[in-house]
Amino acid sequence: QQPVQSPQAVILREGEDAVINCSSSKALYSVHWYRQKHGEAPVFLMILLKGGEQKGHEKISASFNEKKQQSSLYLTASQLSYSGTYFCGTEMTTDSWGKLQFGAGTQVVVTP
Amino acid sequence: KAGVTQTPRYLIKTRGQQVTLSCSPISGHRSVSWYQQTPGQGLQFLFEYFSETQRNKGNFPGRFSGRQFSNSRSEMNVSTLELGDSALYLCASSSKRPPRDEQFFGPGTRLTVL
Repeated sequence: QQPVQSPQAVILREGEDAVINCSSSKALYSVHWYRQKHGEAPVFLMILLKGGEQKGHEKISASFNEKKQQSSLYLTASQLSYSGTYFCGTEMTTDSWGKLQFGAGTQVVVTP
Repeated sequence: KAGVTQTPRYLIKTRGQQVTLSCSPISGHRSVSWYQQTPGQGLQFLFEYFSETQRNKGNFPGRFSGRQFSNSRSEMNVSTLELGDSALYLCASSSKRPPRDEQFFGPGTRLTVL
C-alpha cells in the first residue's frame, strides 16, 4: 500500500522547474507532501483532499488526480532552499487516524 | 509557540535491552503519531494516540508499544531491542482528528542498537 514516488532523485539549477509524482494502487482520500532536509524533521508542505480542497504553506503547487490516484508536486523556479527529500504520504479513508503511508522519497538537489 | 519536542535526542543501547522515548506535542494538540525512519524502509507509521487512546497501529511487532498521558505527552517503548530497531524515531502532533490536518514533526530520537 506504500505509494510509489518518481523520480528517485533530481538535480536542478536555480530557476529550473521539476515535477515529483506520487502514485497509489488504492483509492485515496488525501495526499500529503512533506520536505525533509538532512538532519532535520519533515516539514509540512501541502495536503490535498479528495474533492479538491487543498491546504499549503509555501509557494509550491500540487495537484491530485482522483481518477488516477496520483498526485504531483510542482517545483517552479526552484530556489536553493528547495533542496531536500520530498515525501508524499497517503490516506485511504477519512478515519485512518494518522496512518499515513509514505513513499520512499524523492531527493532534490538545487545547485547555484 | 513551542514546537514538538522529543527526548532524548540520541540513544545507544545493546540488544535485548528496552528503551522508552518521549514526545511532547505542541500545546493544544491532542493527536500524537509515531514513525520509524530508516534508510531501507523509509518512514513507517507505528501508531497514533488521540485523547489517551491508541486509534491506529502500523505493522510492527508487539515489542513496540506506546501510551499517551492526559496532558497529551506520549511515550513509546521498545522491548527486547534488536539490531534492526536502529532508526530515527519521529513523533508528530496534530490539532485535529482525521481527516488529517498537517502534522508537526519533532526532531526525532536517533536510536542505535549495538
